[in-house]
Amino acid sequence: DAMVIQNPRYQVTQFGKPVTLSCSQTLNHNVMYWYQQKSSQAPKLLFHYYDKDFNNEADTPDNFQSRRPNTSFCFLDIRSPGLGDAAMYLCATSARTGDKLFFGSGTQLSVL
Amino acid sequence: AQKVTQAQTEISVVEKEDVTLDCVYETRDTTYYLFWYKQPPSGELVFLIRRNSFDEQNEISGRYSWNFQKSTSSFNFTITASQVVDSAVYFCALRLNTDKLIFGTGTRLQVFP
Repeated sequence: DAMVIQNPRYQVTQFGKPVTLSCSQTLNHNVMYWYQQKSSQAPKLLFHYYDKDFNNEADTPDNFQSRRPNTSFCFLDIRSPGLGDAAMYLCATSARTGDKLFFGSGTQLSVL
Repeated sequence: AQKVTQAQTEISVVEKEDVTLDCVYETRDTTYYLFWYKQPPSGELVFLIRRNSFDEQNEISGRYSWNFQKSTSSFNFTITASQVVDSAVYFCALRLNTDKLIFGTGTRLQVFP
């Protein structure tokens, strides 16, 4: 059974039209992450939550926001998607510092 | 600065060959964790192994083995008798005593029948 679930698997949006990607987990892990992965590149951390504490990476554009309303759910909001934001977005969780990360299957975002 | 280098961008082998994927890391911390993840075409990153900095024992799991050498800051991954299903992108990653996982650029392995 999937433990980190991302919906939808594929998302198409228009240039400048806000879009929200969803992630849920059944592991009850404290930490949740959002990574952006462009074609043939390594995943790049955008931000993460430790419980309700939000940690933004210094180079994450302001266009990207996140919400974690409870332990199980985390959302990635892209306020005004540009063509350069087309990528795979990966959600991950871990129980605690140093522990392995569990990844979802990702959402492939296309921007037209 | 913390960094993970996977110098091999792409490797192609024929089935049943052994193949080693290299990983070199940089950190000044004494406590850290090293990981290998597999990313098949489906996109999901699959955990393979975690090793902490105080445990230099090599590990074998079936056809997979890992060689951790702190003296050379390397954590290499060997697949013995490769199979077509091993075709994927493999990422080495470093985690300090924080929540952040730093990935290398990945090595694409293609195993041909």
